[in-house]
Amino acid sequence: DGGITQSPKYLFRKEGQNVTLSCEQNLNHDAMYWYRQDPGQGLRLIYYSQIVNDFQKGDIAEGYSVSREKKESFPLTVTSAQKNPTAFYLCASSIGRSDEQFFGPGTRLTVL
Amino acid sequence: KNQVEQSPQSLIILEGKNCTLQCNYTVSPFSNLRWYKQDTGRGPVSLTIMTFSENTKSNGRYTATLDADTKQSSLHITASQLSDSASYICVVSGYSSASKIIFGSGTRLSIRP
Repeated sequence: DGGITQSPKYLFRKEGQNVTLSCEQNLNHDAMYWYRQDPGQGLRLIYYSQIVNDFQKGDIAEGYSVSREKKESFPLTVTSAQKNPTAFYLCASSIGRSDEQFFGPGTRLTVL
Repeated sequence: KNQVEQSPQSLIILEGKNCTLQCNYTVSPFSNLRWYKQDTGRGPVSLTIMTFSENTKSNGRYTATLDADTKQSSLHITASQLSDSASYICVVSGYSSASKIIFGSGTRLSIRP
């Protein structure tokens, strides 16, 4: 059963803590993406990776970090430097940069 | 500036009725336009994709149109069902880097019985 998964579904964090969101895909896609979704706004790109061991900043990368050590995995760390981290985070993957993106179910992060 | 504007922001219609959602964009150079459906608390799912040379594409009760000259697209939903209640997102891709994939803010559609 191929797909893209994210965990956890809900995550609570205290101010000042780093937290890592998981994203895994078994679609054999080269490209992976992280987006942030806030109410009433379109998805905004945080980071993307087109190949293992390589990733690029998106439009709102400040306060976030990623790694791409394996083709299947693209974890996102929300650091304490991110001033307003409460949001819905979506991970996506695609065969290539121009191809259809398949989205995971999302992680809702709340900072207490 | 590359932008994607969707209207209306929200829409309520009765079950069985038709509706049309609008998307205007300024992304250039244009590569393709996708419509996604996003259920509450879930990830978006692709409905249709259109390139520059295509002006209509259907997926069941969903029909998308594209006018590349006026940079407008519409998504028409026929004989709406309760399960159509969701946000519909227009996504426009240009050439070059992934940062040129621009998401609209979506239209929230509610179907009432």
